[in-house]
Amino acid sequence: AQKITQTQPGMFVQEKEAVTLDCTYDTSDQSYGLFWYKQPSSGEMIFLIYQGSYDEQNATEGRYSLNFQKARKSANLVISASQLGDSAMYFCAMREMDSSYKLIFGSGTRLLVRP
Amino acid sequence: SAVISQKPSRDICQRGTSLTIQCQVDSQVTMMFWYRQQPGQSLTLIATANQGSEATYESGFVIDKFPISRPNLTFSTLTVSNMSPEDSSIYLCSVAGGLKGEKLFFGSGTQLSVL
Repeated sequence: AQKITQTQPGMFVQEKEAVTLDCTYDTSDQSYGLFWYKQPSSGEMIFLIYQGSYDEQNATEGRYSLNFQKARKSANLVISASQLGDSAMYFCAMREMDSSYKLIFGSGTRLLVRP
Repeated sequence: SAVISQKPSRDICQRGTSLTIQCQVDSQVTMMFWYRQQPGQSLTLIATANQGSEATYESGFVIDKFPISRPNLTFSTLTVSNMSPEDSSIYLCSVAGGLKGEKLFFGSGTQLSVL
């Protein structure tokens, strides 16, 4: 069965520094997608970055990059040059591409950026 | 990515009443998805809404409690019926996007409190 594990309930980072949010996953499928979303206190879910299981390059979107290690089944999010506005909940999620569009979410990591 | 609008953004409702949440997308999409996020939890898929057919519900969710309409390719509604305090959650709609429809984007969410 699919499973997403985020082991860091909360993280602190100093403004302008980089931070890594951990995510490991478990699936028996060969074709899957990995997602990171940001959820501020307003409740919306903001898409940050996507990595397909067959993508050879690590995904990057501006200050966000995904450190994809397929053999270790990890998909860590790296945020560079943290900003105060990055303070939010961050969710890792996975979708098995050959079954449905159903996303399985991790429990989330609350990130606080210190000035 | 598609622009996804949800209404209302938040509401406070009385026990036993019903609330209909609207989701409008700025482009035609085949499938729309409804998720629930209970307080302090991650997201859970309620159902998949296809235009022209009955919605497909996940285990633990039933049509009588969460009726869904999908009258066209840009619009869907989710009704939370006969509400109880346990229905207090954030409800989010989602659509597939990206070049191959591999990415999933969310609306701004509806924060529901039931007294």
